[in-house]
Amino acid sequence: NAGVTQTPKFQVLKTGQSMTLQCAQDMNHEYMSWYRQDPGMGLRLIHYSVGAGITDQGEVPNGYNVSRSTTEDFPLRLLSAAPSQTSVYFCASRGTGGRNQPQHFGDGTRLSIL
Amino acid sequence: DAKTTQPPSMDCAEGRAANLPCNHSTISGNEYVYWYRQIHSQGPQYIIHGLKNNETNEMASLIITEDRKSSTLILPHATLRDTAVYYCIVTTVQGAQKLVFGQGTRLTINP
Repeated sequence: NAGVTQTPKFQVLKTGQSMTLQCAQDMNHEYMSWYRQDPGMGLRLIHYSVGAGITDQGEVPNGYNVSRSTTEDFPLRLLSAAPSQTSVYFCASRGTGGRNQPQHFGDGTRLSIL
Repeated sequence: DAKTTQPPSMDCAEGRAANLPCNHSTISGNEYVYWYRQIHSQGPQYIIHGLKNNETNEMASLIITEDRKSSTLILPHATLRDTAVYYCIVTTVQGAQKLVFGQGTRLTINP
């Protein structure tokens, strides 16, 4: 009963480094999303996907890339990390069956860029 | 531009009902009202949602006014574990995977 699993839980990067935040869900959900949350703020949508092979931009997509090759996985890539990307990143998934399925969130990845 | 307005903070005594208001005066006919909460720094947790009828589940009740311009989330017997930030979000079915989070209400349950 894993739900949405995010790895790593914590990461420290230097400016300019690249990395991939992993997100996996075992609920066969079509929809997946990435959000970031800065201190004292609500979550903001980075990218989302409505199914394998289909992605789209959210509110704050700059500096991030995504791909969706399988239903289960939705990795988020930082190509050249910047201090402004220091944040907590949450992945979420949502099913399409039934009456307006809600989003299920992972526990987050806490990322610091030095 | 925020589609919902919530008080920034509220307090409630343990064991009492916590009533969290939300104004959404520009809500459209096909938009639902969703409530999520975030305990400490964990990922948001879904609580309840509704269109126009009142809803109840094992966690809470949602009361939506007849004109749908406001709603109230009710936690019937608040416990210390209900201390969290509560987010009221309005969105369509199609938009429910693109949630727009405001600042929410920081609810503190006091012993």
